[in-house]
Amino acid sequence: DAGVTQSPTHLIKTRGQQVTLRCSPKSGHDTVSWYQQALGQGPQFIFQYYEEEERQRGNFPDRFSGHQFPNYSSELNVNALLLGDSALYLCASSLTSGDNEQFFGPGTRLTVL
Amino acid sequence: SQQGEEDPQALSIQEGENATMNCSYKTSINNLQWYRQNSGRGLVHLILIRSNEREKHSGRLRVTLDTSKKSSSLLITASRAADTASYFCATDPNSGYALNFGKGTSLLVTP
Repeated sequence: DAGVTQSPTHLIKTRGQQVTLRCSPKSGHDTVSWYQQALGQGPQFIFQYYEEEERQRGNFPDRFSGHQFPNYSSELNVNALLLGDSALYLCASSLTSGDNEQFFGPGTRLTVL
Repeated sequence: SQQGEEDPQALSIQEGENATMNCSYKTSINNLQWYRQNSGRGLVHLILIRSNEREKHSGRLRVTLDTSKKSSSLLITASRAADTASYFCATDPNSGYALNFGKGTSLLVTP
């Protein structure tokens, strides 16, 4: 049973560029959430997707956008990258009919130079 | 903003000892989940305790929840060097779907 997968593992971009991160949920899960984790901090919620719609959004600017596909996989897009966007980006999947028990992928380490 | 607050921030023990970490939160919750993270990698789900449960066990892990005090504790018994990691509590609030994490407890288990 495959768990949550994310790609790429690492990414280096320069300020002003755009980036797309990808996530495939755990088999059987229909909901995907994205989190940003800065060094030494806990994960911060960016948004959650269910039925291809953004269901809830955290306190992040519009530069952060996402998408969920019919197969439940998801993308996170960040435009006009800032140095402060450097972080570990975590994808989590869950079953909307369950307890909101979220299972995380290994993350994508984004470095903005 | 971060909802849960773990205490202590850092904990250092020897193999075989027990490790206890605490978590406090502010709003009403559906459940509380504990996660482990090794060296900045992905989070591993350890255990979920519902708001109507007071205690839960999984292997060497024991979690308690006191909703009247808005607090939880994670006990790891007979710690091993492989338990060295950061531990986070995450609350699932009544009002939404986002998990709210604290800053975590950094656990070091020395042989």
